Amino acid sequence: QKEVEQNSGPLSVPEGAIASLNCTYSDRGSQSFFWYRQYSGKSPELIMFIYSNGDKEDGRFTAQLNKASQYVSLLIRDSQPSDSATYLCAVNTNAGKSTFGDGTTLTVKP
Amino acid sequence: GAVVSQHPSRVICKSGTSVKIECRSLDFQATTMFWYRQFPKQSLMLMATSNEGSKATYEQGVEKDKFLINHASLTLSTLTVTSAHPEDSSFYICSAEQNGYGYTFGSGTRLTVV
Repeated sequence: QKEVEQNSGPLSVPEGAIASLNCTYSDRGSQSFFWYRQYSGKSPELIMFIYSNGDKEDGRFTAQLNKASQYVSLLIRDSQPSDSATYLCAVNTNAGKSTFGDGTTLTVKP
Repeated sequence: GAVVSQHPSRVICKSGTSVKIECRSLDFQATTMFWYRQFPKQSLMLMATSNEGSKATYEQGVEKDKFLINHASLTLSTLTVTSAHPEDSSFYICSAEQNGYGYTFGSGTRLTVV
């Protein structure tokens, strides 16, 4: 079992729809959780981080964390074609090192 | 916000030569930096953790004698690919973390060995 698992996709949604990206992790001691966006040929950039159970909203993005279920998700509202990218979930343990999932490729169709 | 500068962005080298890639934290001190490799359409693969003033920690399967890492100051880590071969052609990315708020990545270096 991988430490951080994501559905590789591709996930395709129409413009204006909600895109839902999911991530599960195996280490119950994980403390912090991150979502990165990576455009093709570019390096990843941090979108959001979340530490506590529940929802955290930032503009069109909402991160959801459920530590009991070891599950973290990213919702993108009003999806735009410019949101088309690969989204990486990352999980930190107390040691501070991030473990990345393989990423989910999202395509937003105009 | 935190900025990590990585150079060069692209390099083409001949087989058997060595290539050095620099990673700098511009507005913060990074005692730890990370080096990744990414092949086309694949995920990030952590190669090593670079620790300021001490030896790097390499992930299993990564040859420490081939991928030399030096972290001589709190703002600079370098990765040298020694005796490069075509199979070393990849996208190399460094990252650093500031205050537990996630990683900031360099812009990456696309290495092509011919």
